[in-house]
Amino acid sequence: AQKVTQAQTEISVVEKEDVTLDCVYETRDTTYYLFWYKQPPSGELVFLIRRNSFDEQNEISGRYSWNFQKSTSSFNFTITASQVVDSAVYFCALSLSYNTDKLIFGTGTRLQVFP
Amino acid sequence: DVKVTQSSRYLVKRTGEKVFLECVQDMDHENMFWYRQDPGLGLRLIYFSYDVKMKEKGDIPEGYSVSREKKERFSLILESASTNQTSMYLCASSQSGISYNEQFFGPGTRLTVL
Repeated sequence: AQKVTQAQTEISVVEKEDVTLDCVYETRDTTYYLFWYKQPPSGELVFLIRRNSFDEQNEISGRYSWNFQKSTSSFNFTITASQVVDSAVYFCALSLSYNTDKLIFGTGTRLQVFP
Repeated sequence: DVKVTQSSRYLVKRTGEKVFLECVQDMDHENMFWYRQDPGLGLRLIYFSYDVKMKEKGDIPEGYSVSREKKERFSLILESASTNQTSMYLCASSQSGISYNEQFFGPGTRLTVL
């Protein structure tokens, strides 16, 4: 069965702290894709990143970085020097090679960044 | 600027009413999706459409139906609304046939059934 687990329900930090959001996935497929989305208070999910299963290079985009480790089936997301505008619900998602049109979402992690 | 729009941000209906949630996308996407979002449960797929007049059940289709008569429009129908259908409903669209297949989301409709 395919599954995405985000064990952290809610995280609170103070501005400028670094924070890591965990994502663990399960699949028997060797080809799959992983995503992160951000849902700000406005409600609309915003795409942040995708990664395919053959590309284990970590990625950095400004204050955001992603650590993909197939050995532990994890795709963790780190925000460096967090800001109040980072407050949102973050979802990790998985899609499979034979059905790339569908996404399997985790339950989300609510991040609150306090000034 | 690409857009997925949903007909209402907030909706209040009574038990037993027929409810229509509308979603329109302007990106000429083949795929459209309806999700339901509940606290602690994340996003769950209700129905999926990969072409006009084509639909596929998602994980929780019971109590819902859908209609896609035009490529840009995907409607979610609650034939007889019940209180357990109080939720946030999110529509999304994506282009078909591409490996890296991000979905674009609308702002959501928060439905309350009294």
